[in-house]
Amino acid sequence: QSVLTQPPSASGTPGQRVTISCSGSSSNIGSNYVYWYQQLPGTAPKLLIYRNNQRPSGVPDRFSGSKSGTSASLAISGLRSEDEADYYCAAWDDSLSGPGVVFGGGTKLTVL
Amino acid sequence: QLQLQESGPGLVKPSETLSLTCTVSGGSISSSSYYWGWIRQPPGKGLEWIGSIYYSGSTYYNPSLKSRVTISVDTSKNQFSLKLSSVTAADTAVYYCARHPSLAARPYWYFDLWGRGTLVTVSS
Repeated sequence: QSVLTQPPSASGTPGQRVTISCSGSSSNIGSNYVYWYQQLPGTAPKLLIYRNNQRPSGVPDRFSGSKSGTSASLAISGLRSEDEADYYCAAWDDSLSGPGVVFGGGTKLTVL
Repeated sequence: QLQLQESGPGLVKPSETLSLTCTVSGGSISSSSYYWGWIRQPPGKGLEWIGSIYYSGSTYYNPSLKSRVTISVDTSKNQFSLKLSSVTAADTAVYYCARHPSLAARPYWYFDLWGRGTLVTVSS
């Protein structure tokens, strides 16, 4: 059971806008930055969003991140076939039982 | 440009120690701008952070793995290493090494460069 909760799957057609949610708590998303990673089949994860809504160089502006309270979202606009991948959210968790980086369980995005 | 490459045995017996090395090429592991971390992914499952290290030797570990994990750095070889003791089948995973930024020796907790990963299977 992951500390951060994501829907296991999402889908959309080319050109659509899709959002993926990530739910946490006050000890992680509520008090720390959220990060998003894209993992194409058979490859290593790639940083997509850092500090809630910042895109690294080279990441298209079709990808955007937002955060509100203890939840965060990744939005992909103008969906393309090459966006079919697994997406993971992550955050630092200040848990009293032991701080550390926590990930969501991942969302498999299918482009129909 | 900077690249990370994991290496180590692909098969480890239960109860033994898993040992992996990450070699940093195209840049210095002694850069004050980065921490270096390990993340794993069991087959068909999600990502799990194992721990991270600074070139000075300062470490952070996942609390759930802390009792079994040691991460070390060898700046002379531009490498950092992972040791996970008393492994079981649950430790079977693709192990990634990755880089994350740092400011004033304090880490930012996002991984901006990853190795390709190496599959480690725990089986007798």
